[in-house]
Amino acid sequence: EEQLVQSGAEVKKPGESLKISCKGSGYRFSNYWIGWVRQMPGKGLEWMGIIYPGDSDTRYNPSFQGQVTISADKSINTVYLQWSSLKASDTAMYYCARQFYDFWDGLDYYFRGTDVWGQGTTVTVSS
Amino acid sequence: DIVMTQSPDSLAVSLGERATITCKSSQSILYRSNNKNYLTWYQQKPGQPPKLLLYWASTRQSGVPDRFSGSGSGTDFTLTISSLQAEDVAVYYCQQYYSPPYTFGQGTKLEIK
Repeated sequence: EEQLVQSGAEVKKPGESLKISCKGSGYRFSNYWIGWVRQMPGKGLEWMGIIYPGDSDTRYNPSFQGQVTISADKSINTVYLQWSSLKASDTAMYYCARQFYDFWDGLDYYFRGTDVWGQGTTVTVSS
Repeated sequence: DIVMTQSPDSLAVSLGERATITCKSSQSILYRSNNKNYLTWYQQKPGQPPKLLLYWASTRQSGVPDRFSGSGSGTDFTLTISSLQAEDVAVYYCQQYYSPPYTFGQGTKLEIK
């Protein structure tokens, strides 16, 4: 079974650092882009960025660029999302999700959607 | 960024009746070289991650019941549930995959009347 399993819930204080993980199994992990999606309490979905574990090529939503870092360790089939200094506004559910690749047109990648999702990691930032 | 706008924000439909949700993009998301619309629909039930329903605006993901269908092209899209079942209660999101950042609509909450 193709699946993504995320690390457990975190409770942190403002200013602390954090790194959450997403481990893939049941498929060739290095060959699929993985994205991160934020869902703030009671709100909608926000696309944060994606990474290709095979070579760590990373694309960020400009709204999140500089606020988080996406990384990967293909040797252990794991992608990470990290913060160097958390804010209360980072309180949210974070999902990792496999991108359903379509094609490369010579300029950019095209995806059909997101076909495998992790279970989500709740991050709570509170003093 | 491409702005995705769904309507309505919430919807109540009787069991067995048709439910229709629309999604409008601020610019065309039709890739002309392959004539595909890069529009995806998801279903999210409480406490669960989203689930992929349709991609390319109208292609059902494997395992999705055929009561779910999608239509539209360019900037205007529709998700239709032909005969609402109790298990369809959820929030539905559209997302464009035409140009990064791959933006979502705000979501439509579907309930039973």
